[in-house]
Amino acid sequence: DTAVSQTPKYLVTQMGNDKSIKCEQNLGHDTMYWYKQDSKKFLKIMFSYNNKELIINETVPNRFSPKSPDKAHLNLHINSLELGDSAVYFCASSEGLFRADTQYFGPGTRLTVL
Amino acid sequence: AQKITQTQPGMFVQEKEAVTLDCTYDTSDPSYGLFWYKQPSSGEMIFLIYQGSYDQQNATEGRYSLNFQKARKSANLVISASQLGDSAMYFCAMRGVTSYGKLTFGQGTILTVHP
Repeated sequence: DTAVSQTPKYLVTQMGNDKSIKCEQNLGHDTMYWYKQDSKKFLKIMFSYNNKELIINETVPNRFSPKSPDKAHLNLHINSLELGDSAVYFCASSEGLFRADTQYFGPGTRLTVL
Repeated sequence: AQKITQTQPGMFVQEKEAVTLDCTYDTSDPSYGLFWYKQPSSGEMIFLIYQGSYDQQNATEGRYSLNFQKARKSANLVISASQLGDSAMYFCAMRGVTSYGKLTFGQGTILTVHP
């Protein structure tokens, strides 16, 4: 039973295309996140949702649009892909927003923009 | 705002020995949590251990322990009896009470365990 799952695991696409990454968690958590890991392995938060409400939007280009249809799902849609969008994107979830709530990560989606 | 610094880009250790991975942090939050994650070459992020800023005792989880020194703002990870499978990238992270859940990560340390 995978706790946090993401699809697809790999995504190779051309510049200018639009793509989506899907995330689902079966932990019953209220909060979900998207993180970006760049080529130097640095991890930075992009978005967080709590009970389907956007909580954090961390200076991300508006080509990136998260959508949370329900508490268990958080999808990431990216318009007009650019070379600099190539990275690994991680979805994560936690019980809530408290400092002690551990975040559990999905396996990551490696996006390559050609 | 929070900041995490991991000053060791790479560390080497012999199998069965202990190793300490350094982490220092900076925050203005009165209450915060510190986390360590492991990222093996396969790429997933695995939660290892958590320490709360008001916890009286250092956290331990199996072979992992967190050496928390609040006055020095350090939260070092100690791995005892290293195994070959411990070879991975290790990230220190924190979230403050005003972070709205956001985890701030350090740059990571690559640990290599030699047989």
